[in-house]
Amino acid sequence: DIVLTQSPDSLAVSLGERATINCKSSQSVLTSSNNKHYLAWYQQKPGHPPKLLIYWASTRESGVPDRFSGSGSGTDFTLTISSLQAEDVAVYFCQQYYGTLWTFGQGTKVEIK
Amino acid sequence: QVQLVESGGGVVQPGRSLRLSCAASGFNFSIYAMHWVRQAPGKGLEWVAVMSYDGSQKYYLESVRGRFTISRDNSKNGLYMEVNSLRPEDTAIYFCARGRIYGAFDMWGQGAMVTVSS
Repeated sequence: DIVLTQSPDSLAVSLGERATINCKSSQSVLTSSNNKHYLAWYQQKPGHPPKLLIYWASTRESGVPDRFSGSGSGTDFTLTISSLQAEDVAVYFCQQYYGTLWTFGQGTKVEIK
Repeated sequence: QVQLVESGGGVVQPGRSLRLSCAASGFNFSIYAMHWVRQAPGKGLEWVAVMSYDGSQKYYLESVRGRFTISRDNSKNGLYMEVNSLRPEDTAIYFCARGRIYGAFDMWGQGAMVTVSS
């Protein structure tokens, strides 16, 4: 099974500053059939279900602010919040799909410094 | 309104069963793969099961295979999961989620809480 490891487990960032979350996969999530990385990012606020932010590693879901961006390839991926807003306080999860198994990272809690 | 609404959660004793339901509305349910994803209290997300758009294919997390059964009724826009032989470690919020071809979940319900305790 593919294991996703996020780092850090938590981080505190000042309003307006950049937040960077990493996600490392135990094996490549690149699908040769279409050369896409099946890696997604979600935001989850307390008491709410997750919200899809990014799919295919770097494609922003419709309606997601452009301060959220995804990057990476192979086994190393990053979610960046370019200018942290108060409403971005949440837990962020990466997720991969490979074969017939979907797995999530353990989550990264983002707070305001 | 485009939404997913779960029901059927509750408190059950170990070894007992429940049937979770997910009612979809506002979109063409019959063309999407549908998933169950769970989240233990204060913990991360864990994918549980998927059923293809037409019900012809289904896959499970190893630890629930043989105990959980996913099903759907496209005429009723409903997704279901029979959860049998429940264990304390199955305690979680169970979300239904819509699957997309890029392997992500673009719509989630609010979840149904299942508590397994004697």
